Amino acid sequence: AQSVTQPDIHITVSEGASLELRCNYSYGATPYLFWYVQSPGQGLQLLLKYFSGDTLVQGIKGFEAEFKRSQSSFNLRKPSVHWSDAAEYFCAVGLSGTYKYIFGTGTRLKVLA
Amino acid sequence: NAGVTQTPKFQVLKTGQSMTLQCAQDMNHEYMSWYRQDPGMGLRLIHYSVGAGITDQGEVPNGYNVSRSTTEDFPLRLLSAAPSQTSVYFCASSDQDVRYSRQQETQYFGPGTRLLVL
Repeated sequence: AQSVTQPDIHITVSEGASLELRCNYSYGATPYLFWYVQSPGQGLQLLLKYFSGDTLVQGIKGFEAEFKRSQSSFNLRKPSVHWSDAAEYFCAVGLSGTYKYIFGTGTRLKVLA
Repeated sequence: NAGVTQTPKFQVLKTGQSMTLQCAQDMNHEYMSWYRQDPGMGLRLIHYSVGAGITDQGEVPNGYNVSRSTTEDFPLRLLSAAPSQTSVYFCASSDQDVRYSRQQETQYFGPGTRLLVL
């Protein structure tokens, strides 16, 4: 069965520190991978996506993610976190051939001043 | 260009009541979807549509009905609300070419409707 796993429910980092949010997926076909961010009380906004080509993807707000097919992973990174990055982050997979997307359970990021 | 709009923002229902959550988009997107978001469970797909008159079930369709009479609107109906339907509901649309289900396109989300069923 298809699934997306975000193993970290909560992560706390200090402002200026680096960040890595983990995402693993289980899907037999070509994965289309997304990271979305949700600020409190808001809808989701796309950070970046991967569907082919270079496995290192650049997104908005200084985020990047690397697709590793051998590890079935699509981890999100940022070299230096800002207080405004505090939010919940969702990894998602587009299931080609189905018209469906599945989302991970999310990782809530807290940033310490 | 308002994007994806949802009404109401917040609603309280009693068990057994019915209601319709409204969703509209002004981007001429063929693909629209409804999700519910529950703590610890992320977003789960309820129903989706690939154009006017075409809808299908997602992961958690029970208790919900949808219809799509226009490209712009995709309402979600709760016929007999239950406490288990207490959740935050998000509508989304995508500019994907619905002739192909590649699922590689960005989804644009509305601000959500918070529903409490007593």
